[in-house]
Amino acid sequence: NAGVMQNPRHLVRRRGQEARLRCSPMKGHSHVYWYRQLPEEGLKFMVYLQKENIIDESGMPKERFSAEFPKEGPSILRIQQVVRGDSAAYFCASSRDRENSPLHFGNGTRLTVT
Amino acid sequence: KNEVEQSPQNLTAQEGEFITINCSYSVGISALHWLQQHPGGGIVSLFMLSSGKKKHGRLIATINIQEKHSSLHITASHPRDSAVYICAFYGGATNKLIFGTGTLLAVQP
Repeated sequence: NAGVMQNPRHLVRRRGQEARLRCSPMKGHSHVYWYRQLPEEGLKFMVYLQKENIIDESGMPKERFSAEFPKEGPSILRIQQVVRGDSAAYFCASSRDRENSPLHFGNGTRLTVT
Repeated sequence: KNEVEQSPQNLTAQEGEFITINCSYSVGISALHWLQQHPGGGIVSLFMLSSGKKKHGRLIATINIQEKHSSLHITASHPRDSAVYICAFYGGATNKLIFGTGTLLAVQP
């Protein structure tokens, strides 16, 4: 039973390009969370999704960022027109239920914007 | 006032020492997670607990819901335990996992 799979592990983009980060949750998990960790800072919630639905996106910047979790396939975090301040580690976690379920994290995608 | 306070922020220990990391929070919660993150690495969930105490190998986690406090203990610490340890919980009725600032542990041989 594979864990949460995130790819790519490292992603380098020039300013203005688009970044697409993928997260495949653990088998049987329908709840996906995205977190961002800026350099030298703690983890911050971005968005919570269930299959085909965005439940809470209150941690997402209003512009350029979007997330989806389609019926088939991985969850995608998309950042358009990246800027240097987007450089961070982006972690995905999944759980079977919303709360009171163990969380399983991916290894993260480290985005560097040059 | 921060919803969660972790202490200490930094901790250096000698191999073999008993280590305690504390987490205090100010909101009602149903469960608390302890996470481990190695430098540049991924995040591993160590424990999820809602009451009492859990043990896994040399790691012990306790929680006192009434006092809004949880501790993570490491017995017979080892250099491979060097990592950032983070407590996290769902705050109140929100969907957001609220993270502590983390404790950077360095265990020296």
